Amino acid sequence: DVKVTQSSRYLVKRTGEKVFLECVQDMDHENMFWYRQDPGLGLRLIYFSYDVKMKEKGDIPEGYSVSREKKERFSLILESASTNQTSMYLCASSSPSGGKYNEQFFGPGTRLTVL
Amino acid sequence: KNEVEQSPQNLTAQEGEFITINCSYSVGISALHWLQQHPGGGIVSLFMLSSGKKKHGRLIATINIQEKHSSLHITASHPRDSAVYICAVRWFPFDTGTASKLTFGTGTRLQVTL
Repeated sequence: DVKVTQSSRYLVKRTGEKVFLECVQDMDHENMFWYRQDPGLGLRLIYFSYDVKMKEKGDIPEGYSVSREKKERFSLILESASTNQTSMYLCASSSPSGGKYNEQFFGPGTRLTVL
Repeated sequence: KNEVEQSPQNLTAQEGEFITINCSYSVGISALHWLQQHPGGGIVSLFMLSSGKKKHGRLIATINIQEKHSSLHITASHPRDSAVYICAVRWFPFDTGTASKLTFGTGTRLQVTL
């Protein structure tokens, strides 16, 4: 089974702190994604990566950066956390070779609260 | 802007009822996904389809490409079906070279009571 893990289920940080959210997948997937999920807005793509050291902005990249130094790990960084970044953060991975449907496999999510 | 709309936003049903959740999208797609999210956050994929109909247990997903509409049906609903159901689409053109981005609906929260 594909397994996508995230470093924390719950995280509380203070405004201005630098925050690291880690995601690891064990299926050798090329593609990895970071989303945030807010009530009434659904999942919105922050960044995605289709290869090591490659990244592309999603729909809402402002205030975030990412790092992909190894194929299995994709990190989301909040350089200076703000209260409007309080949200549920979900990581996903997929493989382009997995057929044209490219199913995405999701991690359990990290609920981040910024005070 | 390419959009995905789901209805209803919230749905309460009694155990045993037949349930339908709808998803409409604005332009052509290469694939549509139905996802399930239980309390606590984890999301699992239920179906991926680009035409016709798929069935898995008590779940049935259909898609009408001409009408740009998909439905998720749950037969003989059970309290364990209580979850948020999310529709997501992958727009044309189909891109094999880079990550396959999805656009998500806002979800339908289903509560099945005894």
